[in-house]
Amino acid sequence: GENVEQHPSTLSVQEGDSAVIKCTYSDSASNYFPWYKQELGKGPQLIIDIRSNVGEKKDQRIAVTLNKTAKHFSLHITETQPEDSAVYFCAAIPMDSSYKLIFGSGTRLLVRP
Amino acid sequence: GAVVSQHPSRVICKSGTSVKIECRSLDFQATTMFWYRQFPKQSLMLMATSNEGSKATYEQGVEKDKFLINHASLTLSTLTVTSAHPEDSSFYICSAITGVGETQYFGPGTRLLVL
Repeated sequence: GENVEQHPSTLSVQEGDSAVIKCTYSDSASNYFPWYKQELGKGPQLIIDIRSNVGEKKDQRIAVTLNKTAKHFSLHITETQPEDSAVYFCAAIPMDSSYKLIFGSGTRLLVRP
Repeated sequence: GAVVSQHPSRVICKSGTSVKIECRSLDFQATTMFWYRQFPKQSLMLMATSNEGSKATYEQGVEKDKFLINHASLTLSTLTVTSAHPEDSSFYICSAITGVGETQYFGPGTRLLVL
């Protein structure tokens, strides 16, 4: 079955700097890769997603890149702000999995003012 | 759009009692809903997949008689934790998909504390 690994587990950056979180997946048939932001005590919030037929997607300060050959995808946050501090989860949906998400272990991002 | 609500947001109950958690899709019809459990500082663990009008599909290791799931309509799924014990204390989160694509929208979660 699919396995998603996420690094780093914690990341501390200075406000205004960029943050990069990386994930790898094992099932080459996976075709959908969302990223979620979870603030303390709340449910995950979708921030960006990418499908396997696209290499990069950007939404303001957030971008996601996908390398199908290497089976890894990354989240890039530019000009970080203190309100970006949260836990970020990557995920993958293998083909024919009834839309079940396979989550990474999460990255705790701290943006220092 | 694509808003999912949960009720209650937190609940405290005595050991041995049952607790029902509701998950609603507010502005769309959810063909499929999912129930997750999350322990502190850990990732989300899928418990079961719920399809409207049919029996839920449970993940390996999840007791179906312990965690009863009902998906009676396209906008409501319920999770009942039966005969709750302290080890059932956790953060329970539901999600739903619209049926148009595979994007899952999550609810705000329910924190359960069993005394």
